[in-house]
Amino acid sequence: GGIITQTPKFLIGQEGQKLTLKCQQNFNHDTMYWYRQDSGKGLRLIYYSITENDLQKGDLSEGYDASREKKSSFSLTVTSAQKNEMAVFLCASSIDGNQDTQYFGPGTRLLVL
Amino acid sequence: QQKVQQSPESLIVPEGAMTSLNCTFSDSASQYFAWYRQHSGKAPKALMSIFSNGEKEEGRFTIHLNKASLHFSLHIRDSQPSDSALYLCAVKSGSFNKLTFGAGTRLAVCP
Repeated sequence: GGIITQTPKFLIGQEGQKLTLKCQQNFNHDTMYWYRQDSGKGLRLIYYSITENDLQKGDLSEGYDASREKKSSFSLTVTSAQKNEMAVFLCASSIDGNQDTQYFGPGTRLLVL
Repeated sequence: QQKVQQSPESLIVPEGAMTSLNCTFSDSASQYFAWYRQHSGKAPKALMSIFSNGEKEEGRFTIHLNKASLHFSLHIRDSQPSDSALYLCAVKSGSFNKLTFGAGTRLAVCP
């Protein structure tokens, strides 16, 4: 088995601040994803990376940047935090872009004051 | 663009009851249908999945898919308090492993 680690667990920021969330996986999976989870709205895909050195925009990429530093790590940057924003950011991985099961990390909870 | 909707939004059932959760999707070419379960404060975890019309049973859980009706469901037999969680349905369409998730059904099983 493997594990996905997300840091930090909680992130409190100020309006306009640039904030970075990190994700590490030891499954040796090729594909990684970033989702945003808002209450009542399900999971929405922000960015994904099919393999190392690849980066693809999801449905909710505006206001975010991502970076796949190496096969095991995938970072997400909130470019300018919005006041009163509150959400959970979930990182996931799958064996490759064709395999269906995605394995999730526990999430980073963001609060912007 | 794929639309995935779940019902009900929330559900309270007594321990031992049968629980039924529903998911509808809009793209008739969808290929993969899954249920994920997320306990409070934890990571979503894949529970069951199905590719073709019909039914699949794993322990107390049964998934049922009817592509013509654009509908699939999860049934939990003998519901337990440990089943209390947020249940998310997910649908894949297209060649890449992009899943579209529903908003979730929050289930509470009372002892």
